[in-house]
Amino acid sequence: GAVVSQHPSWVICKSGTSVKIECRSLDFQATTMFWYRQFPKQSLMLMATSNEGSKATYEQGVEKDKFLINHASLTLSTLTVTSAHPEDSSFYICSASSTQVRRNQPQHFGDGTRLSIL
Amino acid sequence: SQKIEQNSEALNIQEGKTATLTCNYTNYSPAYLQWYRQDPGRGPVFLLLIRENEKEKRKERLKVTFDTTLKQSLFHITASQPADSATYLCALEGTGANNLFFGTGTRLTVIP
Repeated sequence: GAVVSQHPSWVICKSGTSVKIECRSLDFQATTMFWYRQFPKQSLMLMATSNEGSKATYEQGVEKDKFLINHASLTLSTLTVTSAHPEDSSFYICSASSTQVRRNQPQHFGDGTRLSIL
Repeated sequence: SQKIEQNSEALNIQEGKTATLTCNYTNYSPAYLQWYRQDPGRGPVFLLLIRENEKEKRKERLKVTFDTTLKQSLFHITASQPADSATYLCALEGTGANNLFFGTGTRLTVIP
């Protein structure tokens, strides 16, 4: 149980392109999903918290107009990297917690999206 | 601001030995701490959660301790196997509901 699917797993595109990444909870409902970015040999950095039906909460230093988040249902959140540039190349990972929001819950992660901007 | 350190970037041990990984934190008093495993090119997988009022937690060959005085957690893998080779991340609760802040991870290699 508690499977999170992320798509696509790998994207290569030209600079200036917008890229959409999907995060789905397959066997549970998630009111809250999280988006992380991970650079090589570094840890996961939280970018934003996505709440179903409301605006995402962005961490300090993350441009909300650059990284658009939509959480339209209890099983799907999307991250769109708008007008991507080479410095946006990274490993993007989503995670979700079940709708029974309690503190101390483990997060269930997708397998990440490797984004390479040429 | 809170700081999380996993003070070994890489750890190599012989198969069958016990691996011990360390997670230290400062400027912080988390109510709980979690450990995850991450394989290359994959997302992290939850392993164990320990609360501030728990000194120790076990799951099969895994053991986690949590010392709130030392601000430290130790993660042990007993009878280690080559399949245990991965990066292990500790994570502390963040400011929001179920937010997590991650350490930089320790890359464990178990040598056959």
